Amino acid sequence: EVHLVESGGGLVQPGGSLRLSCAASGIIFSSYTMKWVRQAPGKGLEWISSISSSSSIIYYADSVKGRFTVSRDNAKNSLFLQMSSLRDEDTAVYYCAREFYDFESHYYYGLDVWGQGTTVTVSS
Amino acid sequence: EIVLTQSPGTLSLSPGERATLSCRASQSISSNILVWYQQKPGQAPRLLIHGASSRANGIPDRFSGSGSGTDFTLTINRVEPEDFAVYYCQQYGSSRNTFGQGTKLEIK
Repeated sequence: EVHLVESGGGLVQPGGSLRLSCAASGIIFSSYTMKWVRQAPGKGLEWISSISSSSSIIYYADSVKGRFTVSRDNAKNSLFLQMSSLRDEDTAVYYCAREFYDFESHYYYGLDVWGQGTTVTVSS
Repeated sequence: EIVLTQSPGTLSLSPGERATLSCRASQSISSNILVWYQQKPGQAPRLLIHGASSRANGIPDRFSGSGSGTDFTLTINRVEPEDFAVYYCQQYGSSRNTFGQGTKLEIK
């Protein structure tokens, strides 16, 4: 069975740092682009970062660029999000998700596997 | 950047009724890259529809998607109690992914 499990969330003061992890099982982790998506309390979904299967292509939303760093360890089936200079507005549930996009047919199958989320609270 | 606008913000229906949710793109996009998700309180989103009209694995056939260009629709025929949730559309982008703001389907 396919599983993504996030960890590392918690309470942190403004300006602080936190490292989130996402452990994958039941999937060929190294073959897929992975995403981080967050959801602030009572708000919608916000894409924040993408990392290609080989880590060669990385993107960030403007809201986190320069403060967050995404990485992965394919040997350990793990995805990471290093968050620094945290702000109140970074308070959210953070999800990792697998993206399935067929580059040959240009067909997007979507974010078809999601973790359960980990909560980050930035507050003094 | 392509913006996705969903309407209505909230849809109030009774079980058994038909739900029609709209997702409008700020510019024309391929239907190949438009997907829909369902999210229930306290849960992660679940993929419903890909390619604008193809149901994901295990999705009941009362869910259907349609549309092209800038206008896309998610339809739920005969809404079941477990369908009351928030629905998001999303489009694929090579450098970013865009979500709509969501439509909340609530019990009337």
